[in-house]
Amino acid sequence: DTGVSQNPRHKITKRGQNVTFRCDPISEHNRLYWYRQTLGQGPEFLTYFQNEAQLEKSRLLSDRFSAERPKGSFSTLEIQRTEQGDSAMYLCASSPIGAVQETQYFGPGTRLLVL
Amino acid sequence: AQSVTQPDIHITVSEGASLELRCNYSYGATPYLFWYVQSPGQGLQLLLKYFSGDTLVQGIKGFEAEFKRSQSSFNLRKPSVHWSDAAEYFCAVGAQSGYSTLTFGKGTMLLVSP
Repeated sequence: DTGVSQNPRHKITKRGQNVTFRCDPISEHNRLYWYRQTLGQGPEFLTYFQNEAQLEKSRLLSDRFSAERPKGSFSTLEIQRTEQGDSAMYLCASSPIGAVQETQYFGPGTRLLVL
Repeated sequence: AQSVTQPDIHITVSEGASLELRCNYSYGATPYLFWYVQSPGQGLQLLLKYFSGDTLVQGIKGFEAEFKRSQSSFNLRKPSVHWSDAAEYFCAVGAQSGYSTLTFGKGTMLLVSP
């Protein structure tokens, strides 16, 4: 069990550029979540996948945010036309499908800085 | 909608002293409750969780937490703090809807003094 991995770990970009982050969940974990964490706050839920299906995306912050999980394995989170307010830590978590509630295991996060 | 309140933004504890971090939640049914720890620049590590059953749950690194339904609380405790425990601690409540999402508190930063 290698844990959840995220790449890159850090990203610096200029305002208006597009960025894409990747998350590789624990193998055989069917559920994958994205969260955003700003300074001094707890993580905030963004979106959720069960296998390749995106079952909840209403909490994505704007239409500039999108996520995919094309083969039910890794996932990508894209932010288009970045703004300074997008600067945050983006966390990915995965959990196995099973009972109503499973434990979510978090990756190390991608820290985004928009200049 | 569920919510989590961690009333202490910072707590300083002497090494070897006991620790209690407070967490109050708001949820319409039986909650699923979690404590995570985050070291600087790192992701979240699960310390312990409560789903049902025994209201006193044991976790890793010597931590425990007690679920008190009457007080809507899930406080984290440790009898003797080590310098390596310095980190930020997050309490979270899980939804019972068809998919699982976590609502987190704002966190409590633990500082350990020598």
